Amino acid sequence: LAKITQPISMDSYEGQEVNITCSHNNIATNDYITWYQQFPSQGPRFIIQGYKTKVTNEVASLFIPADRKSSTLSLPRVSLSDTAVYYCLVGDMNAGKSTFGDGTTLTVKP
Amino acid sequence: KAGVTQTPRYLIKTRGQQVTLSCSPISGHRSVSWYQQTPGQGLQFLFEYFSETQRNKGNFPGRFSGRQFSNSRSEMNVSTLELGDSALYLCASSLGQRNTGELFFGEGSRLTVL
Repeated sequence: LAKITQPISMDSYEGQEVNITCSHNNIATNDYITWYQQFPSQGPRFIIQGYKTKVTNEVASLFIPADRKSSTLSLPRVSLSDTAVYYCLVGDMNAGKSTFGDGTTLTVKP
Repeated sequence: KAGVTQTPRYLIKTRGQQVTLSCSPISGHRSVSWYQQTPGQGLQFLFEYFSETQRNKGNFPGRFSGRQFSNSRSEMNVSTLELGDSALYLCASSLGQRNTGELFFGEGSRLTVL
């Protein structure tokens, strides 16, 4: 299983772009990288998923370099409501082999 | 479309008792996964069911078990509860046919063991 490392916490201000990096040095060939957002007393919510290069949706972008040993979640123009814990999930769900990172607590200040 | 529903939301048990948690997935989703979330260990995978069969299993003792019914609803059971079983238990559903990680989570069942 991939060992996942994320920063414990990050601070930002409203309107700024936030980049959260996840390290997964021993990622396997069949592993995907997925990011989730979690608010207190709620289950995690899917943000974005990728395998390589760049993926973008309406809320975030995910950058994955060619060696896939890390990934960066980019949140454009954050607001106070983006204050949450962000988890990186790496693995091959088909094989039952996936690991969540310990999460990054993002605090957005006014 | 209704989301993933977990019941009960909160419960308190004492050591040695057993507990059963229920999960109703999103309509049409055939895969249900269970996770344990604690401050110390984070999110840990318990098991996954697909079409009533356990497809994958995490590294938890045999006291943790689960099952899935023909309507895709799932239950998990923890027997002989220990203090360390206090946690938020999360259920997630997905279409399951190529489960690459897009999971839809419920709000969880918070178990406190006294």
